[in-house]
Amino acid sequence: GQNIDQPTEMTATEGAIVQINCTYQTSGFNGLFWYQQHAGEAPTFLSYNVLDGLEEKGRFSSFLSRSKGYSYLLLKELQMKDSASYLCAVTNTNAGKSTFGDGTTLTVKP
Amino acid sequence: DTGVSQDPRHKITKRGQNVTFRCDPISEHNRLYWYRQTLGQGPEFLTYFQNEAQLEKSRLLSDRFSAERPKGSFSTLEIQRTEQGDSAMYLCASSSQGLAGGGPKNIQYFGAGTRLSVL
Repeated sequence: GQNIDQPTEMTATEGAIVQINCTYQTSGFNGLFWYQQHAGEAPTFLSYNVLDGLEEKGRFSSFLSRSKGYSYLLLKELQMKDSASYLCAVTNTNAGKSTFGDGTTLTVKP
Repeated sequence: DTGVSQDPRHKITKRGQNVTFRCDPISEHNRLYWYRQTLGQGPEFLTYFQNEAQLEKSRLLSDRFSAERPKGSFSTLEIQRTEQGDSAMYLCASSSQGLAGGGPKNIQYFGAGTRLSVL
């Protein structure tokens, strides 16, 4: 089976840096995704890691360690609009089924 | 590229009725996914298609649920004899297999979803 764990809630200050962790236990692995989801809206793609290491994309970076079953999403220079739920998802071996965590609700305060 | 579109956006039905939702994926994408999401939880995988073939189906999906993608383009998800527990957001996503012209491989792009309320 597949199990994805991430913190339920986090709070950070505008302009700061926040790291959202994700640990996973899966029967197969073909990549880890991070999505952003604002309330009432669909998830939007942020990042994709298939190999170990750091992927950087503007204010967002994502790290993966396959041996540890661990990833994190790093958000820099936080803005109020970054308040949202951040979903960690792992795709199985044939890149079909994706298992999502329940999301981390990030609140950015002034 | 118009993105993934879903119809209807909202559906209110009475318990016991059948409902059908439609998803139109990004045109170059050959993979299509259905998920269900309830408040405070992440999307839960239901099923996925590669072209017209349904390759995987969640064991959590009861026999009341069926999905089709007859021509490898749009897909429909039907729920028969709806129950109050079926109330949720039903999300569709599509991705490319990485073939020529299909865009980045494996990234799933989501539609806005269909919110189902069963009374």
